[in-house]
Amino acid sequence: AQTVTQSQPEMSVQEAETVTLSCTYDTSENNYYLFWYKQPPSRQMILVIRQEAYKQQNATENRFSVNFQKAAKSFSLKISDSQLGDTAMYFCAFMKHGGATNKLIFGTGTLLAVQP
Amino acid sequence: NAGVMQNPRHLVRRRGQEARLRCSPMKGHSHVYWYRQLPEEGLKFMVYLQKENIIDESGMPKERFSAEFPKEGPSILRIQQVVRGDSAAYFCASSRGLAGEQETQYFGPGTRLLVL
Repeated sequence: AQTVTQSQPEMSVQEAETVTLSCTYDTSENNYYLFWYKQPPSRQMILVIRQEAYKQQNATENRFSVNFQKAAKSFSLKISDSQLGDTAMYFCAFMKHGGATNKLIFGTGTLLAVQP
Repeated sequence: NAGVMQNPRHLVRRRGQEARLRCSPMKGHSHVYWYRQLPEEGLKFMVYLQKENIIDESGMPKERFSAEFPKEGPSILRIQQVVRGDSAAYFCASSRGLAGEQETQYFGPGTRLLVL
């Protein structure tokens, strides 16, 4: 069974600074996807970024980028130029590719506070 | 282009009553997923449906919980004889398909169920 681990329950960063959130996962699969979702105080789940395991190039979306290390089973999220609106709970998630189901397996989350 | 719609946003039930949660997927999406988020926890997969079919219900409690996605209308998550432990946020997600970018799941705003 796949598992996702986020070892940082809470983090804090100053506005305009850079912060990195950690995520590790365990799987015997070779083809899969990894995601970061954010959940702001509104509790809405918002997709931040997505990475296909077969792609060596790290995904980027504006100020958000990932460091995907497949051999180490590590998938960290870097937020550059942090903004107050980035304050949220961030969840790392795993999805197996192929098969009959595409369920997401989530980590326990990291609460990020951006300080003015 | 409306996103995933869920209603009601908040639902209060007394122990023993029934709860019905509705989810309308994004336009063009035919795959629906339900997740539950207990207080202070990450999201846990419950069930995956396509139109008129339950594909994976491995995360559903064996009793009192059921889900459907009829040919017409929204997907329904039904909880019979609710207990206090059912209090949680229930999120619906939808995706277009099962390959590549189509597998990305987009979430609704959630339904917060409170059982008194």
